Amino acid sequence: AQSVTQLGSHVSVSEGALVLLRCNYSSSVPPYLFWYVQYPNQGLQLLLKYTTGATLVKGINGFEAEFKKSETSFHLTKPSAHMSDAAEYFCAVRPTGGFKTIFGAGTRLFVKA
Amino acid sequence: GAGVSQSPSNKVTEKGKDVELRCDPISGHTALYWYRQSLGQGLEFLIYFQGNSAPDKSGLPSDRFSAERTGGSVSTLTIQRTQQEDSAVYLCASSPQLAGESTGELFFGEGSRLTVL
Repeated sequence: AQSVTQLGSHVSVSEGALVLLRCNYSSSVPPYLFWYVQYPNQGLQLLLKYTTGATLVKGINGFEAEFKKSETSFHLTKPSAHMSDAAEYFCAVRPTGGFKTIFGAGTRLFVKA
Repeated sequence: GAGVSQSPSNKVTEKGKDVELRCDPISGHTALYWYRQSLGQGLEFLIYFQGNSAPDKSGLPSDRFSAERTGGSVSTLTIQRTQQEDSAVYLCASSPQLAGESTGELFFGEGSRLTVL
């Protein structure tokens, strides 16, 4: 069965600092991978996704993530944090050709002024 | 509307009562999903619909939970004889295409927050 592990339930960074949110997955074959963001009292929205092709994918709001098959990782980064980035971030995996999307437990990002 | 719509946004009920949560997906989206979000637990998959049929109900926590979808559109999640552990945010999402024919991006509603006293 597929699973997703997000390291760190809370991450705190200073404004302007690098953001790094970690995600590892388990799957027998490379799946589709996603990062979603949830702002307070809102639903989730897609940040970026990896399906096939280029392993470095760029998303909205300056975020990007790199698929590393050898490490079964899909870490999310942003070079410079903004206050508006404070939210909860979810990594998710879906089997190629499947339908069930499995989510990690989420990482809450705090941005300090 | 343009997005996924869920109602009610908040529901407070007494233990033992039945509740119905409604989801109106994006027009034309054939796939519809229900997830449960509990504090610190991430998103728990409950059920998935393709059209009006539910190929996978394995995520439903107990037989008190049921869901249906009519006309390939609106879905209702029903919880009978609610318990305090049912308190959570119930999220609905829709997706435009059948699994395997799309990359599976989900479009989420804002959720229904259920509190069981």
